[in-house]
Amino acid sequence: AQTVTQSQPEMSVQEAETVTLSCTYDTSESDYYLFWYKQPPSRQMILVIRQEAYKQQNATENRFSVNFQKAAKSFSLKISDSQLGDAAMYFCALAWGTSYGKLTFGQGTILTVHP
Amino acid sequence: DTGVSQNPRHKITKRGQNVTFRCDPISEHNRLYWYRQTLGQGPEFLTYFQNEAQLEKSRLLSDRFSAERPKGSFSTLEIQRTEQGDSAMYLCASSLGGGSAEKLFFGSGTQLSVL
Repeated sequence: AQTVTQSQPEMSVQEAETVTLSCTYDTSESDYYLFWYKQPPSRQMILVIRQEAYKQQNATENRFSVNFQKAAKSFSLKISDSQLGDAAMYFCALAWGTSYGKLTFGQGTILTVHP
Repeated sequence: DTGVSQNPRHKITKRGQNVTFRCDPISEHNRLYWYRQTLGQGPEFLTYFQNEAQLEKSRLLSDRFSAERPKGSFSTLEIQRTEQGDSAMYLCASSLGGGSAEKLFFGSGTQLSVL
């Protein structure tokens, strides 16, 4: 079975500061993808960043970057220069096999950004 | 590109009633996914389609749940004889093709409340 665990139910950050959200996962698959999704109050899930497990280089997307530690099965998200619009629920997710749209999600971390 | 559309946005029903939700994917997307999200949790995969073919339905929560995508365009998710435990948000997502580049686009969900 594949599992994703987010151990931080809530996090907060000051505007313009940096915050890191944690995620650990477990899978027996060798070929898989990891994702961070953002869910604002509008409820629509938005892809923030993705990482292919076979790539050693950490993915980056503007202010968002990941620290992918394959041996430790850890996949954290770093948000730099936090903005008020970053406030949302963040979900870590895992996909493998024939459909990379069939995701296993973690429990989520609520991020609050203080002005 | 008008995005993934879900209707209704909210549905309130009495226990024992049947409900049906509709999802209109992005027009050229051939894959369509249904997820369920309960309060404070990450989304849980239910089923998905490639065109009109339902490729996996083993995760549908019980035989009271069924989904269709009759012409490979819109999809419906039906819950028969609703129970209070069915109260949740039902999310739809679509994507173009399979393979490693698959990217999901989510709708805003249908919030179901069973009284």
